[in-house]
Amino acid sequence: DSGVTQTPKHLITATGQRVTLRCSPRSGDLSVYWYQQSLDQGLQFLIQYYNGEERAKGNILERFSAQQFPDLHSELNLSSLELGDSALYFCASSVGQGATDTQYFGPGTRLTVL
Amino acid sequence: GEDVEQSLFLSVREGDSSVINCTYTDSSSTYLYWYKQEPGAGLQLLTYIFSNMDMKQDQRLTVLLNKKDKHLSLRIADTQTGDSAIYFCAESNTGTASKLTFGTGTRLQVTL
Repeated sequence: DSGVTQTPKHLITATGQRVTLRCSPRSGDLSVYWYQQSLDQGLQFLIQYYNGEERAKGNILERFSAQQFPDLHSELNLSSLELGDSALYFCASSVGQGATDTQYFGPGTRLTVL
Repeated sequence: GEDVEQSLFLSVREGDSSVINCTYTDSSSTYLYWYKQEPGAGLQLLTYIFSNMDMKQDQRLTVLLNKKDKHLSLRIADTQTGDSAIYFCAESNTGTASKLTFGTGTRLQVTL
């Protein structure tokens, strides 16, 4: 158990809908990262927050947004969902925000868009 | 941009050593990581190596880094059936903040 929690574990929804994925980092970690794992794209970095502020952005679609709250939990919002958004979404956390900070991953949320 | 490559599949017999290889293109990689993903599970950090090191050993795991060739390997000694999983190598560097760039993953199958 990495100490990173994600809810829900599974989510099934229809195209055009909007969903929110939630992540609670390890105690003491200030950075939260979101990754998407899909069959065709592999594991891709989406976005990073550090202590409530956005720090880095990767291949995140404009239909997707995220935020980190004062209690350091984070939410990833996915809207106007398409079939291709079906994937496993991972959250990771680390103590700091730099390249030397080891990231610990949560169990993931499996999103299925029908 | 950064690119990380791995072979897709490796099959070994229980008790043998497994060697999973990874190549990367970014010469400014700071840390290189190995993660393990079991079916239906998340990513478990196995070990990591800083770019100024050549080797790191942690119980049954040995990581070798050839910085000149940009080649990373993970050796698992006395491979067990519980080691069957997908193994991802990943790199991070200061130029891209702290995002991890992952390889495609190597599926390790351990046979009896």
